Amino acid sequence: AQTVTQSQPEMSVQEAETVTLSCTYDTSESNYYLFWYKQPPSRQMILVIRQEAYKQQNATENRFSVNFQKAAKSFSLKISDSQLGDTAMYFCAFMTDNNDMRFGAGTRLTVKP
Amino acid sequence: DAGVIQSPRHEVTEMGQEVTLRCKPISGHDYLFWYRQTMMRGLELLIYFNNNVPIDDSGMPEDRFSAKMPNASFSTLKIQPSEPRDSAVYFCASSLGTGSNSYGSPLHFGNGTRLTVT
Repeated sequence: AQTVTQSQPEMSVQEAETVTLSCTYDTSESNYYLFWYKQPPSRQMILVIRQEAYKQQNATENRFSVNFQKAAKSFSLKISDSQLGDTAMYFCAFMTDNNDMRFGAGTRLTVKP
Repeated sequence: DAGVIQSPRHEVTEMGQEVTLRCKPISGHDYLFWYRQTMMRGLELLIYFNNNVPIDDSGMPEDRFSAKMPNASFSTLKIQPSEPRDSAVYFCASSLGTGSNSYGSPLHFGNGTRLTVT
C-alpha cells in the first residue's frame, strides 16, 4: 500500500518570502506520479504541479517548483515570492499506473502581509 | 469546459434519511472518483470507476454507502440511512487515464458537497 506523509501540519511565511513544504511517500512501485494540490478557503481543489517519477528533472510552474528525490522518496514544494493568495491547505498526492490518487494529511500555509 | 459539476453544494438532513449526491464529470474523461474529506481523516478515496465500471470500492465505509455510474456523464453517491458521522465534504473528481499517453493524468475536482447530518 502507498502512503503519503506531510509532517508539517501548519506553516507560515511572510509575503514575498520563500517557503518549502515537505512530503515523503512510501511505495514499492517503480513507476508513479506525484502531485501538489492547493485548497483555498473556497474548498476547491486546484492542481499546482505534477511530477513523473521516471523524469529526473524537477517540475516547475511559475513560482512553484519541486525538489524530487526519488531515492529518498521525498517530494517537497517550494513557493517563491509568496503572495497572500497562496494562503491555503496544500496536499501532496501519489498515483500509480492504476490511476487512483492518495493524499497526504495536508499542510495549512498562511502568508502574512 | 464546465469542469466537474457536483450537486447540491450543501445538504442538511436528519439522521436516518436517504442522501443522494450527484456528479457530472468532464466530458471525455474515463475515470471518476468519489472522495470524502473530514478534519479527522483527511481526504479518503471511497470508490472509483473506469468507463462506468467500479474498479475499487474498498474505501466505501459500510453498506450504507453505494455509488453508481449509469453512463459516462453521471454518477451518484447514496447514503441510506444517513448518520451524523457521515457529515463531511464529499468530492467528485474525474481524469483521463486510458492509453499510454494518459497515465498519471491529474484529477479534476468538483466544488464538493458539504453534507451535514443532524
